Amino acid sequence: QSLLTQPPSVSGAPGQRITISCTGSSSNIGADYDVHWYQHLPGTAPKLLIYVHNNRPSGVPDRFSGSKSGTSASLAITGLQPEDEADYYCQSYDSSLSGWVFGGGTKLTVL
Amino acid sequence: QVQLVQSGTEVKKPGASMKVSCKAVGYNFFTFGISWVRQAPGQGLEWMGWISTHNGNTKYALKFQGRVTMTTDTSTSTAYMELRSLRSDDTAVYYCGRDQDGLWFGVSYYMDVWGKGTPVTVSS
Repeated sequence: QSLLTQPPSVSGAPGQRITISCTGSSSNIGADYDVHWYQHLPGTAPKLLIYVHNNRPSGVPDRFSGSKSGTSASLAITGLQPEDEADYYCQSYDSSLSGWVFGGGTKLTVL
Repeated sequence: QVQLVQSGTEVKKPGASMKVSCKAVGYNFFTFGISWVRQAPGQGLEWMGWISTHNGNTKYALKFQGRVTMTTDTSTSTAYMELRSLRSDDTAVYYCGRDQDGLWFGVSYYMDVWGKGTPVTVSS
């Protein structure tokens, strides 16, 4: 069981806005460690989506945004598109494990 | 083109060892560290550890300490991850990825380029 908790699944219709939460604790997100987000399509390499809370690599649309507050972080996707259907993971550092940790992942379904 | 090229599919018996390679192409190997992440069937991503491409220093996830060894061959810009005493629950796709610093492990770092993954099956 991951130290970063994500909902197993979320869904939304094309054009809608969804958010994916990533809930941690005082040993990771709450300790002010940075949070990053990845998009993963089965059978492909994970793709960096958001780094250091709310920065997008070149090529990632501004429909994707991140935020962080207290012991949690969130990924928001606006204007949902069918190609957004994928698994999404948050990542941070945990001081109790002394290493990086990933959330359990959230499967996004575009209805 | 910046990419990480990983070795191919492996099938191993329980108790055996595996060694996956990850060749850096299109960038200065020493500038970025390499982390290894795996994904078991139906499971999420799991960080296994990191290696400095500068000096070979390593940082392993507690779960894998004593069973994993990460190395580099700077002459070929290739990183390696060896996992020993394989069990059936080591069946997974193993990914390498580069982070922001080839010398120091960063608590705030992330993986901006990933290999395509190496499927490993452990079965008798």
